[in-house]
Amino acid sequence: QPVLTQSSSASASLGSSVKFTCTLSSGHSDSIIAWHQQQPGKAPRYLMKLESSGSYSRGSGVPDRFSGSSSGADRYLTISNLQSEDEADYYCETWDSNTRVFGGGTKLTVL
Amino acid sequence: EVQLLESGGGLVQPGGSLRLSCAASGFTFRTYGMSWVRQAPGKGLEWVSGITGSGGVTYYADSVKGRFTISRDNSRNTLSLQMNSLRAEDTAVYYCAKILSAAGSDYWGQGTLVTVSS
Repeated sequence: QPVLTQSSSASASLGSSVKFTCTLSSGHSDSIIAWHQQQPGKAPRYLMKLESSGSYSRGSGVPDRFSGSSSGADRYLTISNLQSEDEADYYCETWDSNTRVFGGGTKLTVL
Repeated sequence: EVQLLESGGGLVQPGGSLRLSCAASGFTFRTYGMSWVRQAPGKGLEWVSGITGSGGVTYYADSVKGRFTISRDNSRNTLSLQMNSLRAEDTAVYYCAKILSAAGSDYWGQGTLVTVSS
């Protein structure tokens, strides 16, 4: 089954950009992933689907400040023009035939 | 508008049982797979179980296999999770999520808290 690896924390200044990495385990570098945002005390929210080609599709209502890209086994989420409400945990998700897997999440602090 | 509303959480003793429900609306329920995902206090997301749109195929994480049973009633647009032999480590907020094929969990409920403690 696939494993997703994320850094535990990140920080960036208001109005700047930040890029998160989600790394797929060996043998799963072609997998599609999804990115989710979880603000403090709230349920997760779907941000986008991201393919190995770098093609991505944002979820309903997700601002275009959120974008995705890929390189090999790495999947990236970039947030531009950071806002205070972007301070949250960010999780990647993938799946295979009979299981779903989440990365450990990255906590974003907006300075 | 897609809505997922979980219910059934609460305090239960170790070894006890609980049944969670998720009421779905705003989409054609029977055509989508669904999942249960949990989050222990201060921890990350953990997938628990999944079920196909027809209900014909179910999947479980190793941590709950043999103790939890996922099911769905497509006539009532309801997803359920029967949890037996509960342990302290099952304490978590449980979310139901709609699965968009080849795209991930595209909608989430607000969650219901399950606390396993004596």
